[in-house]
Amino acid sequence: SQELEQSPQSLIVQEGKNLTINCTSSKTLYGLYWYKQKYGEGLIFLMMLQKGGEEKSHEKITAKLDEKKQQSSLHITASQPSHAGIYLCGAGYAGGTSYGKLTFGQGTILTVHP
Amino acid sequence: SQTIHQWPATLVQPVGSPLSLECTVEGTSNPNLYWYRQAAGRGLQLLFYSVGIGQISSEVPQNLSASRPQDRQFILSSKKLLLSDSGFYLCAWTSSPVGETQYFGPGTRLLVL
Repeated sequence: SQELEQSPQSLIVQEGKNLTINCTSSKTLYGLYWYKQKYGEGLIFLMMLQKGGEEKSHEKITAKLDEKKQQSSLHITASQPSHAGIYLCGAGYAGGTSYGKLTFGQGTILTVHP
Repeated sequence: SQTIHQWPATLVQPVGSPLSLECTVEGTSNPNLYWYRQAAGRGLQLLFYSVGIGQISSEVPQNLSASRPQDRQFILSSKKLLLSDSGFYLCAWTSSPVGETQYFGPGTRLLVL
């Protein structure tokens, strides 16, 4: 099974609606990174969470990491067409040979209809 | 500020031909560098990473190789491309030590025919 599970795989919402994307790890995270990607482009860094219970916000996007550091959620309030794209979570796991490597979820394709 | 470049942006190659994709980082020194492949616009698979010049670690067995001839240059190569090598290749960097954010380049779309 996947080390990092992301859900849902795709999401279609009407403009103005709220939505949540989840990312679940099979083991305790050292750090959790959220990225956004437009099709055919590189990943844009959104937020990084490292402490259990941590919550960060940027404009209308809020990301949370649970106390056990195994689950994160990304919440978008009052979605807009500009929020459309692929959202990916990346997990860093502590360890002497980790070298900053990240394991990525399969991504969530978000479509926002005007 | 730091920037990361990749080229070419798009490449169409016949099966059996060689490959060379380049990634360079500006504005930082001694970065950790990473090559990922993304299939069908979804999750990323880590292919190689490097913590210094000439130091390459491979994550998955495959038809590709990587090299780091200079501190801020990372190259992905193949001697003979396979159809299965098609995909979107992304380069990323992070500053040492572990725990820093990875920043990604614009990617190279490779189509092997």
